[in-house]
Amino acid sequence: GQNIDQPTEMTATEGAIVQINCTYQTSGFNGLFWYQQHAGEAPTFLSYNVLDGLEEKGRFSSFLSRSKGYSYLLLKELQMKDSASYLCAAMDSNYQLIWGAGTKLIIKP
Amino acid sequence: GAVVSQHPSRVICKSGTSVKIECRSLDFQATTMFWYRQFPKQSLMLMATSNEGSKATYEQGVEKDKFLINHASLTLSTLTVTSAHPEDSSFYICSAPDREVSYGYTFGSGTRLTVV
Repeated sequence: GQNIDQPTEMTATEGAIVQINCTYQTSGFNGLFWYQQHAGEAPTFLSYNVLDGLEEKGRFSSFLSRSKGYSYLLLKELQMKDSASYLCAAMDSNYQLIWGAGTKLIIKP
Repeated sequence: GAVVSQHPSRVICKSGTSVKIECRSLDFQATTMFWYRQFPKQSLMLMATSNEGSKATYEQGVEKDKFLINHASLTLSTLTVTSAHPEDSSFYICSAPDREVSYGYTFGSGTRLTVV
């Protein structure tokens, strides 16, 4: 079956760095997405990886290892506004998105 | 970037009534629209995929007659929750392929439905 695993909740300190991990199992693979979702709002796109390696975009970076079925989202210089849920989603061979349950990130002063 | 406008953002309705949710693509033509439901602290669950001019494709376990989807034009897709019950209370979100992001999706702002 198809499955996405990511931690339910993480806590970090303002100004620090946090890494949110995601493992996936899909029928075929057409890329890995990370979305940010604030409470009561729709998800917003953060990153897309389809090749192995690290993609850096400002304070956020995303890494993919296709052989390991593994990705992580790295957030640097954490700000209070980064408190949100972070959703990992893998695209299967039918170009369908398989969503993880999301990781709730709590930022403390 | 591509924008999908979703209305209403919040709706409270009585049990047994129907509610229509609209999603409009504002600056592009959305030939495909995905409809999701999200319960608190849970993942996005794909309900159905609508394609302009054809019948929607529903995911297993989603009742076609209860969740009516219409995609009559390239800029408008609607989801009607018929004979709503309290268990239908959820966050409903539409999304369309985002041409500016390879294989990415842009989401509507979501509709919080509460059935009392």
